[in-house]
Amino acid sequence: DTGVSQDPRHKITKRGQNVTFRCDPISEHNRLYWYRQTLGQGPEFLTYFQNEAQLEKSRLLSDRFSAERPKGSFSTLEIQRTEQGDSAMYLCASSPRERVEQYFGPGTRLTVT
Amino acid sequence: EDQVTQSPEALRLQEGESSSLNCSYTVSGLRGLFWYRQDPGKGPEFLFTLYSAGEEKEKERLKATLTKKESFLHITAPKPEDSATYLCAVQVGAQKLVFGQGTRLTINP
Repeated sequence: DTGVSQDPRHKITKRGQNVTFRCDPISEHNRLYWYRQTLGQGPEFLTYFQNEAQLEKSRLLSDRFSAERPKGSFSTLEIQRTEQGDSAMYLCASSPRERVEQYFGPGTRLTVT
Repeated sequence: EDQVTQSPEALRLQEGESSSLNCSYTVSGLRGLFWYRQDPGKGPEFLFTLYSAGEEKEKERLKATLTKKESFLHITAPKPEDSATYLCAVQVGAQKLVFGQGTRLTINP
């Protein structure tokens, strides 16, 4: 069990550019979550997948954000036309069937200049 | 609105000095309360899940307890390696976790 992995770990981009992050959940975990965390705050929920179906999206997830989980395995989170307010740590988590615990990856730190 | 409040925001202890962290919650229908540990620049590490008032869980120097309105994370005889931010979260609806802002714990040798 290698844990949840995220790529890249750090991303610096200029305002207005598009960025895409990848998350690989723990093998056989059917649920996958994205959260955003800013300095000094707890993580905030963005969206959730069960297998390939996106079942819930937060109001925080504006139309510039899109997430996919093709084939129910890895997931991608894309931010279009980045803004400075998008600077944060983006965390991915996964859960196994019939368990509620969410196991987090190391995160992708995004800096928008 | 579902809400989680942690106190204190920051806590400094000497090695061996036991203390407790508090997590107060307001949620319609608690499905689970979670404690995580987070080191700087890393993702949260799962510690405990509590489901009902009166439940307790232990792991090494940590013990988590739950009442109907709050949870405590007791740290007994802490060591410098216990220094981290401790996050409390409640499960809302089917899957979403709502987190508190965390307690930043520093253990001085």
